[in-house]
Formats: sequence, structure tokens, C-alpha cells
Amino acid sequence: AQSVTQLGSHVSVSEGALVLLRCNYSSSVPPYLFWYVQYPNQGLQLLLKYTTGATLVKGINGFEAEFKKSETSFHLTKPSAHMSDAAEYFCAVTSKRGTDKLIFGTGTRLQVFP
Amino acid sequence: AAGVIQSPRHLIKEKRETATLKCYPIPRHDTVYWYQQGPGQDPQFLISFYEKMQSDKGSIPDRFSAQQFSDYHSELNMSSLELGDSALYFCASSLDTAEQYFGPGTRLTVT
Repeated sequence: AQSVTQLGSHVSVSEGALVLLRCNYSSSVPPYLFWYVQYPNQGLQLLLKYTTGATLVKGINGFEAEFKKSETSFHLTKPSAHMSDAAEYFCAVTSKRGTDKLIFGTGTRLQVFP
Repeated sequence: AAGVIQSPRHLIKEKRETATLKCYPIPRHDTVYWYQQGPGQDPQFLISFYEKMQSDKGSIPDRFSAQQFSDYHSELNMSSLELGDSALYFCASSLDTAEQYFGPGTRLTVT
């Protein structure tokens, strides 16, 4: 079975500050990990993914995440927050089988203050 | 690049009515997934199809059914609608990889 835990349902940062959104996973098989962003009343946009290879993954809009197997974590970071980063962020896990469903975390709402 | 298309984008139905949601996957993608996202919640997997055959089933009510057609588009049929069915319904598609591409969603409101 697979699951994802996102610590902190709400995170607030000042514009220009570091963004850190936490995600821990549980998986009995090697996982594929994803971060999605959802703006109000919109769909899910893929920010970045970890499948195999390099454990530090760079995504769109300056975000990156590092897969740490020993810590079963896949935290999302961005060095400098921008007002446009305010959104809901979902961490998700699936297996490597390729046709498996995504299991989502409960989401973290990021607020960015000027 | 072509994306996943969902229709309609918005749908308002009354209790006990029926609704049909449509999904057109990215061309050549062979797997379609349906997710339901309630207000303030994370997306929950409903059902998936691989090469037109049901491949997995999640927490989908018996009142709901889905199928994938020969042209790979999929339809989610929802009967005896309840207020609790009000949600955003996403379709996603993939091709031989774990990366799923999501459509914009259909917002269903049951009154």
C-alpha cells in the first residue's frame, strides 16, 4: 500500500523568503513521486516528478524537490517566494508499474505575503 | 501540444438526476483515470481504464459507472445524484509511464 503525508495544511511566507513544503511517503514498492500545483478553480498542473536517477529534481517556476529514501521524504522547496506562488500544492505517489492510480496527500495551501 | 479535454466544464443537476461527464485523453495515450475532488479535499481516485478495459477501481459509488470507448475517450455516468456528489471531477491520461496529465476538470453542482 502507498500513502502520502503532507505536514502543514497551511504555510505562510513573505515574498522573497524560502518556501518549504513537506511531504513524506510510504510505499512497499519503489515509488514515483510528484508535486502538483492547483490554483483556485483550476486543474492540477505538474510541478515536478521523481522517477529514477538523480534524486534532486528541478521543476517549473523555480521549484525543486529532493528524494530522500532514508527519510522517505520528497520535500518541495523554492529559494525565493513570489506572490504568484500562492496556491494549493499536492504531493502524490504511485508505483513504477505505469498504470497505477495516484495517491495524493491532503494538500498544503501556500500563502505569500508582500 | 494537445491536452486532456473534459466536457462539460460546469454542470448543475438536481438531486436524483443523472449526469454524464466526458473525457478525451491526449492522442495515443492508452490509460485514462478519473478522480473526484470534494471542496477543500485532495483528489480521490475513482476508476481507470487501460486499452479500453477497466484496470483499477477506487472508492467509486455503485451509482457511478464508466467506460472507455474505441476512440479512447471515456465517460463517467452518475445516477441518482446526491448533494455529496458535488465536486470537481478530473480526468487524466498517460502512456506507459506513471506521469499523468490532467484535464481542467468538470465542476458538478448538485442542488
